[in-house]
Amino acid sequence: AQSVTQPDIHITVSEGASLELRCNYSYGATPYLFWYVQSPGQGLQLLLKYFSGDTLVQGIKGFEAEFKRSQSSFNLRKPSVHWSDAAEYFCAVGQTSQKLVFGQGTRLTINP
Amino acid sequence: ETGVTQSPTHLIKTRGQQVTLRCSSQSGHNTVSWYQQALGQGPQFIFQYYREEENGRGNFPPRFSGLQFPNYSSELNVNALELDDSALYLCASSLVGLAGLYEQYFGPGTRLTVT
Repeated sequence: AQSVTQPDIHITVSEGASLELRCNYSYGATPYLFWYVQSPGQGLQLLLKYFSGDTLVQGIKGFEAEFKRSQSSFNLRKPSVHWSDAAEYFCAVGQTSQKLVFGQGTRLTINP
Repeated sequence: ETGVTQSPTHLIKTRGQQVTLRCSSQSGHNTVSWYQQALGQGPQFIFQYYREEENGRGNFPPRFSGLQFPNYSSELNVNALELDDSALYLCASSLVGLAGLYEQYFGPGTRLTVT
């Protein structure tokens, strides 16, 4: 069965600092991987996705993620966070046309 | 190009009642998926509709049912509401083509409270 683990429930970083959010997945085949962001009371916005090819993918808002098959990981990174990045971040894995399986989420707080 | 829209925004129902939530998919998309997000949790897949037929279902009881219409909009119906049904219900639309590759775009959600 597919599963996604986000080990960090809550992370606090200072504005301008770098960020890495961890995501580990369990999946039998080559996964399709996604990162979504959710602001309070809002729906989910797609940050980036990995289907195949280059294992370093670029997304919106200056985010990037790296797919590491050997570690079953798809960690999200940003070199310098902004106060507006405070939100809940979800990693998800999916098949070609079926359901997405989400992690529990990581809540990001930004210190001024 | 309009995004995914959902109605209503908020809803309060009593245990045992029935509820219908609505979703309009993004222009050009042919697939709608529904997710339930309990407070403090990640979204959980309820079911997906493709060309007006159910195309996959998660671990939800039959009292959760849905419809997709010819214009690809969709409804989620929940019968015999229970307190645990209180959650944010998210609709996502996508375009499933021959390659099968897709990305899902989410609406803002409907917050359902069952008392």
